[in-house]
Amino acid sequence: GENVEQHPSTLSVQEGDSAVIKCTYSDSASNYFPWYKQELGKRPQLIIDIRSNVGEKKDQRIAVTLNKTAKHFSLHITETQPEDSAVYFCAARAGGGNKLTFGTGTQLKVEL
Amino acid sequence: KAGVTQTPRYLIKTRGQQVTLSCSPISGHRSVSWYQQTPGQGLQFLFEYFSETQRNKGNFPGRFSGRQFSNSRSEMNVSTLELGDSALYLCASSLDPGNTEAFFGQGTRLTVV
Repeated sequence: GENVEQHPSTLSVQEGDSAVIKCTYSDSASNYFPWYKQELGKRPQLIIDIRSNVGEKKDQRIAVTLNKTAKHFSLHITETQPEDSAVYFCAARAGGGNKLTFGTGTQLKVEL
Repeated sequence: KAGVTQTPRYLIKTRGQQVTLSCSPISGHRSVSWYQQTPGQGLQFLFEYFSETQRNKGNFPGRFSGRQFSNSRSEMNVSTLELGDSALYLCASSLDPGNTEAFFGQGTRLTVV
């Protein structure tokens, strides 16, 4: 089955700096890659996603890139703010169902 | 538009008991998936339902089961609870299988003592 690896597990940046989180997947049939942000005690929230027919997608300060050949995708957050501090999960979905395989999460801390 | 609603929010059960968790998807959404979240194993897929049919199942023992009703609401059941079943159980709602975003509920925090 699908396996998703996520790095780093923790990331500390200064406010205003950029943060990059990377994920790799194993199933070449995967065609949808969402990113979720989970604050402490809250639900995972979808922040951005990308489909396999697109190489890059941007939404204000966040962007996601996808390299299908290398089977990896990345989340980029620019001009980080303290409210960006949370755990970020990448995920991959293959086939016609809704099963998401998640990475292990990245604890992002934005320091003042 | 109301979001995904899960009940109850918190639950404490004793080993050997059984538990039923409920999920009401976003209005109009017909696909419901369940996930178990633990510090050690992360987010793991349990099962997916669409049109009252289980479409997909993760690698969990048969003690974990679920169902979906005609109004798309879903329940999951865990029988013969074990200490290791303590986790946050999350439900995700999607419009249809395979081609749409998944939105999570707040989850049910299950503690088995």
